[in-house]
Amino acid sequence: EAGVAQSPRYKIIEKRQSVAFWCNPISGHATLYWYQQILGQGPKLLIQFQNNGVVDDSQLPKDRFSAERLKGVDSTLKIQPAKLEDSAVYLCASSLRIGSDTEAFFGQGTRLTVV
Amino acid sequence: AQKITQTQPGMFVQEKEAVTLDCTYDTSDPSYGLFWYKQPSSGEMIFLIYQGSYDQQNATEGRYSLNFQKARKSANLVISASQLGDSAMYFCAMREVGGATNKLIFGTGTLLAVQP
Repeated sequence: EAGVAQSPRYKIIEKRQSVAFWCNPISGHATLYWYQQILGQGPKLLIQFQNNGVVDDSQLPKDRFSAERLKGVDSTLKIQPAKLEDSAVYLCASSLRIGSDTEAFFGQGTRLTVV
Repeated sequence: AQKITQTQPGMFVQEKEAVTLDCTYDTSDPSYGLFWYKQPSSGEMIFLIYQGSYDQQNATEGRYSLNFQKARKSANLVISASQLGDSAMYFCAMREVGGATNKLIFGTGTLLAVQP
């Protein structure tokens, strides 16, 4: 079974530039998450999709971050314009369904450095 | 509101000894799940073990066991017979069932170093 795929693995951009990350979840997984993990901290949930609908984006900085999940499969997360404090690892995860007993499977993440 | 607390920023353990990583949580939902993940220096998050709020028995997976004390709202991870490859960050996480979104939230993590 293929895991969660993310690209790119690394990205360096200047502040005020834009950047996009891509995620392909495990086939058949209805729930998709984007997390931001700043160095030395735990992952912080940015947005959660159920199929192609947003179920939680309360911690997404909507003035600069956007995300979509077209057709309920792949997802993209965009930052425009980037700030220095956006430097972090962006983790995508998926789970089979919403439920307390379903673990999330994570991709390898995209390490973003904003200079 | 959901909250996960890990009070140990770092832990040392000798190879082959057991170690306990602490996790406490807060929720008003009677139905929830608790998870532990391992994050090696390579960065991937690896699922280790799950405990449901209604499970009567503590969860075990190989050398990992979860010491679940519901009244104290704690879900400590016990790693027996530590190995050098266990050196990593460990995160406790929780998902509520009754909420509208079933968010999966994480604690701040504990960095475990296994010494030979």
